[in-house]
Amino acid sequence: QQPVQSPQAVILREGEDAVINCSSSKALYSVHWYRQKHGEAPVFLMILLKGGEQMRHEKISASFNEKKQQSSLYLTASQLSYSGTYFCGTVEAGGYQKVTFGIGTKLQVIP
Amino acid sequence: DTGVSQNPRHKITKRGQNVTFRCDPISEHNRLYWYRQTLGQGPEFLTYFQNEAQLEKSRLLSDRFSAERPKGSFSTLEIQRTEQGDSAMYLCASSFNSYEQYFGPGTRLTVT
Repeated sequence: QQPVQSPQAVILREGEDAVINCSSSKALYSVHWYRQKHGEAPVFLMILLKGGEQMRHEKISASFNEKKQQSSLYLTASQLSYSGTYFCGTVEAGGYQKVTFGIGTKLQVIP
Repeated sequence: DTGVSQNPRHKITKRGQNVTFRCDPISEHNRLYWYRQTLGQGPEFLTYFQNEAQLEKSRLLSDRFSAERPKGSFSTLEIQRTEQGDSAMYLCASSFNSYEQYFGPGTRLTVT
């Protein structure tokens, strides 16, 4: 079951904040966040495990609400380098470690 | 270690031909994944290996697709009798157990 991401696209000015949401209808074991720049492979940002703590990567942080099967990615004081497409990937509880990716959120940071 | 590598980077083939792609994972990683990505979509899971064992294969994958990982090292993905709908970027990723996956640069397949 593919997770649902919102918004589908967002444009920010440098220094602004943004939140990207990811939700699943299935019970989850973990949520992965990746960023992909045009023409490049996805790059791992962070993983949130069931029962784990909120994670942080530079000025990007994320949370995981296990009860609601939701995760949010918080981008603080955005930089031009944050531009790209952000994917959440979910691993269902009780299954193999297969990551199912959403369709992505396209983020553009402008000067 | 320089990361996950994939060869070839680009492949153009005629409909009906067979193609094979190779993925070399990060050496200490025991898990290897194959994904397919089309424009505007996230990576779509195809199959996954733990060491040499293929543990899961997508139900979306037809019998024309097969993957191997002999000796738990590199992996190959073969597509037989290619169709135009197979045109996509094929991504390989590796991980150590269930942690973060590191993606290779991908093989872009164009079926004419």
